[in-house]
Amino acid sequence: QKEVEQDPGPLSVPEGAIVSLNCTYSNSAFQYFMWYRQYSRKGPELLMYTYSSGNKEDGRFTAQVDKSSKYISLFIRDSQPSDSATYLCAMTRGGVAQKLVFGQGTRLTINP
Amino acid sequence: DAEITQSPRHKITETGRQVTLACHQTWNHNNMFWYRQDLGHGLRLIHYSYGVQDTNKGEVSDGYSVSRSNTEDLPLTLESAASSQTSVYFCASSEIGPNEQFFGPGTRLTVL
Repeated sequence: QKEVEQDPGPLSVPEGAIVSLNCTYSNSAFQYFMWYRQYSRKGPELLMYTYSSGNKEDGRFTAQVDKSSKYISLFIRDSQPSDSATYLCAMTRGGVAQKLVFGQGTRLTINP
Repeated sequence: DAEITQSPRHKITETGRQVTLACHQTWNHNNMFWYRQDLGHGLRLIHYSYGVQDTNKGEVSDGYSVSRSNTEDLPLTLESAASSQTSVYFCASSEIGPNEQFFGPGTRLTVL
């Protein structure tokens, strides 16, 4: 079983829809949770960063962490064609363990 | 502007050859990482370094090596390339701690 599980999709939704992307994890020591966005043939870029449980909002994007359920989510409101990309969740214990563990990535397409 | 670069961007080689992929960052980050990205597996950590002369094995290190002689560079060497090492390789760097990793543009390697 992988430490971090993410549905690879692909996921295709119409423009303007609310998108929900999710990851589950097994290691309760994870404290820092990130979402990266990767456009085709590019390197990943950090989209959202959350420490411990709770919500964080940035424009149309909301990241949620539920440590009791070992479940994290990324919501995209009013989705745009420019949001079409692969979204990767990532997490780390922090401290001296600074390496990230990534999910498989979800490929998202927003149709105009 | 600070950046992270990888070279070459594309490489085709033959089984058994030694291959070195270059990674150079100008952020003066202590942490540097090498990942490979394959369909269905997301990003998997190959090797990482927390500073000059420090190197550590990641999840999929067999057949790969790295050395860190300065802060800016972490070259990745495939000792004897195998077809299973056909992949897209990403280099990343970050500041000390559970911080954002900045990714390079990737190197697409094909081993025939």
